Amino acid sequence: AQRVTQPEKLLSVFKGAPVELKCNYSYSGSPELFWYVQYSRQRLQLLLRHISRESIKGFTADLNKGETSFHLKKPFAQEEDSAMYYCALSGRSDKLIFGTGTRLQVFP
Amino acid sequence: EPEVTQTPSHQVTQMGQEVILRCVPISNHLYFYWYRQILGQKVEFLVSFYNNEISEKSEIFDDQFSVERPDGSNFTLKIRSTKLEDSAMYFCASRGEQGFSYEQYFGPGTRLTVT
Repeated sequence: AQRVTQPEKLLSVFKGAPVELKCNYSYSGSPELFWYVQYSRQRLQLLLRHISRESIKGFTADLNKGETSFHLKKPFAQEEDSAMYYCALSGRSDKLIFGTGTRLQVFP
Repeated sequence: EPEVTQTPSHQVTQMGQEVILRCVPISNHLYFYWYRQILGQKVEFLVSFYNNEISEKSEIFDDQFSVERPDGSNFTLKIRSTKLEDSAMYFCASRGEQGFSYEQYFGPGTRLTVT
């Protein structure tokens, strides 16, 4: 079964603290993994995808096939990072399968 | 920067009524999608559409649902006879490039409330 698990509904940190949003997936094959972000009152937008191996807004995510994980990390959180973060995968088809999302709150 | 637009932003309807949710994808995009998110739950795939045909649909997308691209710009989702459990946020998305690693661009959503 194709599944994405985000175990934390809410993650609260102070500004400047490191952040790690966890994502585990279940998929028999080689999926494409993504992180989407939704800022308050805005639309879902792509933050990053594993295939491009890029860092966006200081965030990185490494695909660990052994642990079937794609955790999102940032060394120093900023207040403007407060948002809803969704991990998603696509497999043999292009539909996105989303996790339940983690709300990140960054306090000043 | 081009964006996916959706209308209306909020639709209230009575159970049993038909609703049409409208989307204008980004103009040169070829792949179109509908997703929904029931309050407090995950975003779920409904249907994908390419070359004027449904590419894939989920179990949710039963006979009560249909999609159409009536002209070169609009992409619509119709629910024939709404149920209470159809109340959700409905997102349209579009993609331009081939290859599943490419970004799907999402619209702002239509909140459907069935009473």
